[in-house]
Amino acid sequence: AQSVTQPDIHITVSEGASLELRCNYSYGATPYLFWYVQSPGQGLQLLLKYFSGDTLVQGIKGFEAEFKRSQSSFNLRKPSVHWSDAAEYFCAVGASGAGSYQLTFGKGTKLSVIP
Amino acid sequence: GAVVSQHPSRVICKSGTSVKIECRSLDFQATTMFWYRQFPKQSLMLMATSNEGSKATYEQGVEKDKFLINHASLTLSTLTVTSAHPEDSSFYICSATYGYNEQFFGPGTRLTVL
Repeated sequence: AQSVTQPDIHITVSEGASLELRCNYSYGATPYLFWYVQSPGQGLQLLLKYFSGDTLVQGIKGFEAEFKRSQSSFNLRKPSVHWSDAAEYFCAVGASGAGSYQLTFGKGTKLSVIP
Repeated sequence: GAVVSQHPSRVICKSGTSVKIECRSLDFQATTMFWYRQFPKQSLMLMATSNEGSKATYEQGVEKDKFLINHASLTLSTLTVTSAHPEDSSFYICSATYGYNEQFFGPGTRLTVL
């Protein structure tokens, strides 16, 4: 069965600083990887996804992630954090099911931004 | 595009009553819908997967008689929590998709059982 590990429960960065959120996955086949963001009391918004091809993936809001098969990682990065980026971030791996992908989520990383 | 709504956004009910939560795909036909449960400060746990016109597939440990899922059309799935108890209080999130595409998430429903 697939699994996702997000080692950092809570990260605090200063506004304007760079950010990297870590994600490691375990999956026996080619992984389909996702990063989602969730604001308090809200649903999830997709930041970016990796299915195949270029291992550096660009997403919305200036985020990017790099798929490293050798390290089983899919870390999320942003060069300059804005106060509005404060939220919960979830990494997920998709497993092919009957007609769709099933997602397994990591436990999430809460991002706090200091003005 | 790809908007998913949930209704209600918040519901408070008494112990022993049943609560229905609706999940709608507003601008696409969802062949598959998923129901998740999220406890405070925790991740999303998949409860069940439902394909239109078929019975839902429940994850291990999820009581199908307690969490009734109906996916009667390509735009609507419902989750009914039967005989709710305080331990069922949680944040319930649905998602919808079509084929092998990303899942589009609803805004969630906060259920509080008194």
